[in-house]
Amino acid sequence: GAVVSQHPSWVICKSGTSVKIECRSLDFQATTMFWYRQFPKQSLMLMATSNEGSKATYEQGVEKDKFLINHASLTLSTLTVTSAHPEDSSFYICSARGPYNRGQQETQYFGPGTRLLVL
Amino acid sequence: EDQVTQSPEALRLQEGESSSLNCSYTVSGLRGLFWYRQDPGKGPEFLFTLYSAGEEKEKERLKATLTKKESFLHITAPKPEDSATYLCAVRGASGYSTLTFGKGTMLLVSP
Repeated sequence: GAVVSQHPSWVICKSGTSVKIECRSLDFQATTMFWYRQFPKQSLMLMATSNEGSKATYEQGVEKDKFLINHASLTLSTLTVTSAHPEDSSFYICSARGPYNRGQQETQYFGPGTRLLVL
Repeated sequence: EDQVTQSPEALRLQEGESSSLNCSYTVSGLRGLFWYRQDPGKGPEFLFTLYSAGEEKEKERLKATLTKKESFLHITAPKPEDSATYLCAVRGASGYSTLTFGKGTMLLVSP
């Protein structure tokens, strides 16, 4: 249980184009989803937190207009990298919180990641 | 500000050679300490959640323990398939929504 999927698993695009990444919680409803970025041999860097039906909360230094996040339903969040440039090339990982176990904090489950290469 | 420090950065073991990974943390009001395993090119895979000092959890060859200042991930008789990066994260009272991650320990188990 508690499976999170991401699509696509990898994408190559030209500089200036936009790329959309989907994150789905397959067998549970996630009121909160998270987007991370990971550089080679580095730990995860939180980009933003999104709650279903409301605007995402971005971490300091993350451009809201460049990384558009939509959390339209309890099982789907999308990250759109707008006007992508080579420096946006990275490994993007989404995470969903839940399901809730009575008396315990919710655990975050991670998707398999999306590798983005901008040429 | 919540902080997590993992040691060692890298660990190489022979198959069957037991060892422990350390996760030291400072947090305002611990709401959970989490262990994940991450294979190269993949997202983190959830292993354990610990909530209070003295708590222990086990899964196959892995056992996680928690004190008020640190957590240990004990690996008993590891196999090559246990090779991965192990990440520790905490959630504190001040950052309910978010996890603070350590940099991870890269484990390599040789046959």
